Amino acid sequence: AQSVTQPDIHITVSEGASLELRCNYSYGATPYLFWYVQSPGQGLQLLLKYFSGDTLVQGIKGFEAEFKRSQSSFNLRKPSVHWSDAAEYFCAVGASPNFGNEKLTFGTGTRLTIIP
Amino acid sequence: NAGVTQTPKFRILKIGQSMTLQCTQDMNHNYMYWYRQDPGMGLKLIYYSVGAGITDKGEVPNGYNVSRSTTEDFPLRLELAAPSQTSVYFCASRDQGVSNQPQHFGDGTRLSIL
Repeated sequence: AQSVTQPDIHITVSEGASLELRCNYSYGATPYLFWYVQSPGQGLQLLLKYFSGDTLVQGIKGFEAEFKRSQSSFNLRKPSVHWSDAAEYFCAVGASPNFGNEKLTFGTGTRLTIIP
Repeated sequence: NAGVTQTPKFRILKIGQSMTLQCTQDMNHNYMYWYRQDPGMGLKLIYYSVGAGITDKGEVPNGYNVSRSTTEDFPLRLELAAPSQTSVYFCASRDQGVSNQPQHFGDGTRLSIL
């Protein structure tokens, strides 16, 4: 069965500092990986996704993530955070949609706090 | 383009009451999903549908029912509300006809059972 681990429940970063959020997955085949962001009281918004090709994926809002198969990781990074980045971040894994319905498995999330 | 719309946004129920959480999407997506999100947990899949007239159980279906009579609508029904069903519920949709498309989420329904 597929699973996702986000080891950091809560991270605090100074505005302007760099950010890395960790995500480790378990999946038997080629994974389909996502990062979503959730602002308070809102639904989930897709930041970026990986399914094949270049292992460094660029997303919206200046975020990027790197797929490392050898480490079963898909960490999210941003070189300089802004106060508006404060939110909950979810990593998710699913089967490739080319093989049918993709049911996502989500991690438990990492809450990001930005301090001035 | 409204995307995925969920109603109501908030609701308080008494134990044993029933209600339907509404979800509609205007993107003509064939795949739709219902998740619940509990504090400190990721999203758990309740039910999903691959098209009108077709539904299937997800990871945590007990206590819920769904129907999919049209492409646009995917309501979630709670027949006998229990405190364990206090949660935030998210509906999502996806176009499987276009490869590599992500799920689009609604803003959620916050449900409290007292």
